[in-house]
Amino acid sequence: DQQVKQNSPSLSVQEGRISILNCDYTNSMFDYFLWYKKYPAEGPTFLISISSIKDKNEDGRFTVFLNKSAKHLSLHIVPSQPGDSAVYFCAARRRYGGSQGNLIFGKGTKLSVKP
Amino acid sequence: DTGVSQDPRHKITKRGQNVTFRCDPISEHNRLYWYRQTLGQGPEFLTYFQNEAQLEKSRLLSDRFSAERPKGSFSTLEIQRTEQGDSAMYLCASGFDTFMGNEQFFGPGTRLTVL
Repeated sequence: DQQVKQNSPSLSVQEGRISILNCDYTNSMFDYFLWYKKYPAEGPTFLISISSIKDKNEDGRFTVFLNKSAKHLSLHIVPSQPGDSAVYFCAARRRYGGSQGNLIFGKGTKLSVKP
Repeated sequence: DTGVSQDPRHKITKRGQNVTFRCDPISEHNRLYWYRQTLGQGPEFLTYFQNEAQLEKSRLLSDRFSAERPKGSFSTLEIQRTEQGDSAMYLCASGFDTFMGNEQFFGPGTRLTVL
């Protein structure tokens, strides 16, 4: 079963507007969450992360929100730029138990920002 | 340091052949991870090392897969007797794992095609 879910395979946004990418998780043992961006033929690039002890983290145009009670996080990109067009992956870490430290990824959301 | 590097970037092989991939992590990182990514999926964890110790290998896909990290520096991932289902992108990542964070930085990947 998939522990990290990105239910929207794609999202199209106009340049300058806000992009909101969503991610749901099922495992309450996850304690750290990350967003990665991936261009074709490249490895994922780290964007922003958030610890489970916080509910918001901001870095420039990127903000991640965490709602632990809903097991939901979202990535906001404001303003969106054409160069943001890529596949965005949500990932989670389980601190304790087996496989400590490895990340569990969602399937990704393809963002297209139109000029 | 220019980041995580992987070699080769592309590998085409015939079914039944053995292949070996190399990963050079960011030098100050103590953890090195291997993931596999297939089309339409997020990266899937395979194994990881802390320095030279392989701490988790139960997620390796079969006993045809093995990884090494001699002297805690570069790592190799070997697939013996390749099958067509092994065709995928193989990603290496490095990072630190601390209580507060687990950012992993990925290399460009090795694209394997098994004919």
